[in-house]
Amino acid sequence: DAKTTQPNSMESNEEEPVHLPCNHSTISGTDYIHWYRQLPSQGPEYVIHGLTSNVNNRMASLAIAEDRKSSTLILHRATLRDAAVYYCILSPYNNAGNMLTFGGGTRLMVKP
Amino acid sequence: DTEVTQTPKHLVMGMTNKKSLKCEQHMGHRAMYWYKQKAKKPPELMFVYSYEKLSINESVPSRFSPECPNSSLLNLHLHALQPEDSALYLCASSQRGIRKTGELFFGEGSRLTVL
Repeated sequence: DAKTTQPNSMESNEEEPVHLPCNHSTISGTDYIHWYRQLPSQGPEYVIHGLTSNVNNRMASLAIAEDRKSSTLILHRATLRDAAVYYCILSPYNNAGNMLTFGGGTRLMVKP
Repeated sequence: DTEVTQTPKHLVMGMTNKKSLKCEQHMGHRAMYWYKQKAKKPPELMFVYSYEKLSINESVPSRFSPECPNSSLLNLHLHALQPEDSALYLCASSQRGIRKTGELFFGEGSRLTVL
């Protein structure tokens, strides 16, 4: 499986934008880029996913590099509730059953 | 609120006990998963069920025995566990097929302590 590399931790101030990077230099043409986050004492929750084009939803934006070797999750205004571990995951479209292999993730700390 | 319900939320068991973890979803999803998560580590896939059939077993020891009695229910039967099996056990579900959506729905987990 293609691997992802993320910083172990990042800090942000409340109400400021946050850019969470992810490198995936061995991504294949059919790999989707998924982001999940895990708040303390909860199971992971879906944030966003994309293939080639940038994506926006109510939670975040996903910016995908033109060569697809990296991507950035953008939280437009961080709140204290956004403090979580953010996982960037690749999954091939023909993967049996949507299974996702989690990497190390980035622990985001939000300061008031 | 999560739409995947896991019970119990906490379980303490001895190494000779037999217990089960239960997971339920009513979203009509046909793929269900068990993940194991140790403290400060990412979740690790254990099993995948697709249309009630076991499709992936990630070389999990036989002391963990999954069961999918119907499309809404997933069990994990535990027997003769070791203290190192203490972890958060996460259940997830998804629509079958990844082409249109990649979203997994996770439960809050069952925290298992093996004494």
